[in-house]
Amino acid sequence: QKEVEQNSGPLSVPEGAIASLNCTYSDRGSQSFFWYRQYSGKSPELIMSIYSNGDKEDGRFTAQLNKASQYVSLLIRDSQPSDSATYLCAVLGTGRRALTFGSGTRLQVQP
Amino acid sequence: KAGVTQTPRYLIKTRGQQVTLSCSPISGHRSVSWYQQTPGQGLQFLFEYFSETQRNKGNFPGRFSGRQFSNSRSEMNVSTLELGDSALYLCASSLVGQGQNIQYFGAGTRLSVL
Repeated sequence: QKEVEQNSGPLSVPEGAIASLNCTYSDRGSQSFFWYRQYSGKSPELIMSIYSNGDKEDGRFTAQLNKASQYVSLLIRDSQPSDSATYLCAVLGTGRRALTFGSGTRLQVQP
Repeated sequence: KAGVTQTPRYLIKTRGQQVTLSCSPISGHRSVSWYQQTPGQGLQFLFEYFSETQRNKGNFPGRFSGRQFSNSRSEMNVSTLELGDSALYLCASSLVGQGQNIQYFGAGTRLSVL
């Protein structure tokens, strides 16, 4: 079992729709969770961090964390073609200083 | 505030050679982590340095090494290059504290081994 799992996609949504990206992790003691966006040929860019159960909103982005289910999600409202990228879920495990990344979900927003 | 700076941006080497990559962290950040990204394996952790000490190491062979200087700048070295070392090498810096460890990435160095 991979430590951090994501559906590779592609996830295709029409412009203006809500895109829902999901991530599960295996280390139950993990405390810090991050979503990065990576455009083709570029480096990962931090979108959101979340540390406690519940929702965290920042503009069009909402991160959701459920530690009991070991599940993190990212919602993108009013999706734009410029949101088309690979979204990486990253987890900071128990006692670790290194991020463990999922393989990423490729999002395509259709104009 | 300047971001994480990696040099060079592109490198072409041949098998058996060695290479050194450089990373300057965000001002005030003392932790520097290195990652390798390939299409097949995704993003994999190489090592992390804090205050000139390697605190954490991923599962890579000893050909991969690194160091950190007193100004927090870091270098990584790969000796005896293999074709499989072709990858995007990413450096991330973080302001360690309060258990949050948010990592910010540089633009990366794309290494091609021929």
